[in-house]
Amino acid sequence: IAGITQAPTSQILAAGRRMTLRCTQDMRHNAMYWYRQDLGLGLRLIHYSNTAGTTGKGEVPDGYSVSRANTDDFPLTLASAVPSQTSVYFCASSDNDSPYGYTFGSGTRLTVV
Amino acid sequence: AQSVSQHNHHVILSEAASLELGCNYSYGGTVNLFWYVQYPGQHLQLLLKYFSGDPLVKGIKGFEAEFIKSKFSFNLRKPSVQWSDTAEYFCAVGSYQLTFGKGTKLSVIP
Repeated sequence: IAGITQAPTSQILAAGRRMTLRCTQDMRHNAMYWYRQDLGLGLRLIHYSNTAGTTGKGEVPDGYSVSRANTDDFPLTLASAVPSQTSVYFCASSDNDSPYGYTFGSGTRLTVV
Repeated sequence: AQSVSQHNHHVILSEAASLELGCNYSYGGTVNLFWYVQYPGQHLQLLLKYFSGDPLVKGIKGFEAEFIKSKFSFNLRKPSVQWSDTAEYFCAVGSYQLTFGKGTKLSVIP
């Protein structure tokens, strides 16, 4: 793999179910991010991690949790999905030592019904 | 708190027309500014970035942007657009956690 891999590509999920979106990078970037993209709202930051072992809340963290056990992986968990979490989710990474912008994954399209 | 405002929601141009997409920002620290492009069905890709130095920044595919500090602006320009430039364009500001604008959809008519 090269860059960021997200899985699954798309998912239809029943409301109330638990779901983990996976994100793996192979660039050894320190920082990783989860954004959701909604029509007319652009990208909004859900959670971020500046380095392995640390996480922080973004603009819209409610209903989501993350963990950063190692440098490469940054999974996003929806504990109990609701229809308002229907969105396209993008994982991104960057190098803290040189904030030259993000590298994005290809996204996960999630539909909660 | 940092914020980004993109003035145009949807821009429609004919091929060969000139493009300028507006972006204004609010940010309290050292300004790092970015333009990203998202082609239909794809993820965001970096077009260009500004950190310091020459306020006129050149990016890929003939795009450029000018940082005007007094106006808190970072407008994206291209002298002559092509049909393949049809995409959504996002302005972003920040150092590590980036704040994105809501995007401008560009439709180029052949």
